[in-house]
Amino acid sequence: SQTIHQWPATLVQPVGSPLSLECTVEGTSNPNLYWYRQAAGRGLQLLFYSVGIGQISSEVPQNLSASRPQDRQFILSSKKLLLSDSGFYLCAWMVPYSYEQYFGPGTRLTVT
Amino acid sequence: GEDVEQSLFLSVREGDSSVINCTYTDSSSTYLYWYKQEPGAGLQLLTYIFSNMDMKQDQRLTVLLNKKDKHLSLRIADTQTGDSAIYFCAGDSGNTPLVFGKGTRLSVIA
Repeated sequence: SQTIHQWPATLVQPVGSPLSLECTVEGTSNPNLYWYRQAAGRGLQLLFYSVGIGQISSEVPQNLSASRPQDRQFILSSKKLLLSDSGFYLCAWMVPYSYEQYFGPGTRLTVT
Repeated sequence: GEDVEQSLFLSVREGDSSVINCTYTDSSSTYLYWYKQEPGAGLQLLTYIFSNMDMKQDQRLTVLLNKKDKHLSLRIADTQTGDSAIYFCAGDSGNTPLVFGKGTRLSVIA
């Protein structure tokens, strides 16, 4: 069966520090991968999605970036965090054209 | 592109039925989804309905789709305190990312 992992589960970082959040998927090949941010326990904002290794689409211009170095690995990064980057970051995967999207457990990021 | 709207809050008594409503704009959506998010957790896919269906039932959950009005609803029968969560409606536009509503926070009063 397929599983999706995210780490770390929680993170407290000072303003201006770098960020690296990792997401990995097991049990499937060539999934579509997604990064979302959820602020204040509310709606989901799509940040990036990827349909293959090295292919990244950015939905919102900001100081975050994403990379997909391997088929089932998706990384969210920042060189310098802002206070506004605080939130709950969710990774998700989908088998292309399967119409079922599954989410990881999330990372709670607090920028102080 | 797709736009999905939901009411933000719903409060029901334990044992009653809950109905969470959603409207969407893209009539070409193939599937429409309901996700549940418990506090501090990721989103859990509850159910989805194919656009050529009017209704789908799965145990206590009933999904109704009115394509003419672009209206989707989720009915939870015999609502329990464990059903308290945020419920997200979502629609697809082909192989592009799902578009989510802002979520409806369901509070169940014992």
